[in-house]
Amino acid sequence: GENVEQHPSTLSVQEGDSAVIKCTYSDSASNYFPWYKQELGKRPQLIIDIRSNVGEKKDQRIAVTLNKTAKHFSLHITETQPEDSAVYFCAAPSSGTYKYIFGTGTRLKVLA
Amino acid sequence: EAGVAQSPRYKIIEKRQSVAFWCNPISGHATLYWYQQILGQGPKLLIQFQNNGVVDDSQLPKDRFSAERLKGVDSTLKIQPAKLEDSAVYLCASSGTSLAETQYFGPGTRLLVL
Repeated sequence: GENVEQHPSTLSVQEGDSAVIKCTYSDSASNYFPWYKQELGKRPQLIIDIRSNVGEKKDQRIAVTLNKTAKHFSLHITETQPEDSAVYFCAAPSSGTYKYIFGTGTRLKVLA
Repeated sequence: EAGVAQSPRYKIIEKRQSVAFWCNPISGHATLYWYQQILGQGPKLLIQFQNNGVVDDSQLPKDRFSAERLKGVDSTLKIQPAKLEDSAVYLCASSGTSLAETQYFGPGTRLLVL
């Protein structure tokens, strides 16, 4: 069955440092990979996504890389700020079921 | 552009009672999702609609949960009877027709079953 593994489950970094979160998926037909940020008590919000025809996408301090051969994709946050503190979820669509599988989440804490 | 609307925002009920949640997706979005998010976990898909048809409901506990999307726009999710383990946030999301499109989430309904 389809599965999305996300690591680490918690991550603490000093303000200004970089943070990397990795997700591994099992369905080789997956072609769209979003990342969501969820602050406490709020809804998940899309922060960046990548499609399978590119290997990397950047948006200011946030980037996502995709390795289709190894079936993993990663979120990179540079120059972290306290407001980056939140839970981050990756997701991958499961081909054939039209269903998104979410990772278990990474709680990022940026220490001032 | 208006976002996904949900109501109520909070609900407290006793076990064995019934509860219903409502969702209004972004205008023009054909696909509507209901997720259950238990504290500390990622969203778990309960049911997915494409227009007014069910695409996936494999994780919907059909003995107590039901959902409908009449006319392919608004949707309601019902729990009857509720159990303690149903305490969670119920998130509605919508997207366009293609699977590879961004899902936009509503604010969620926080349910507490006592």
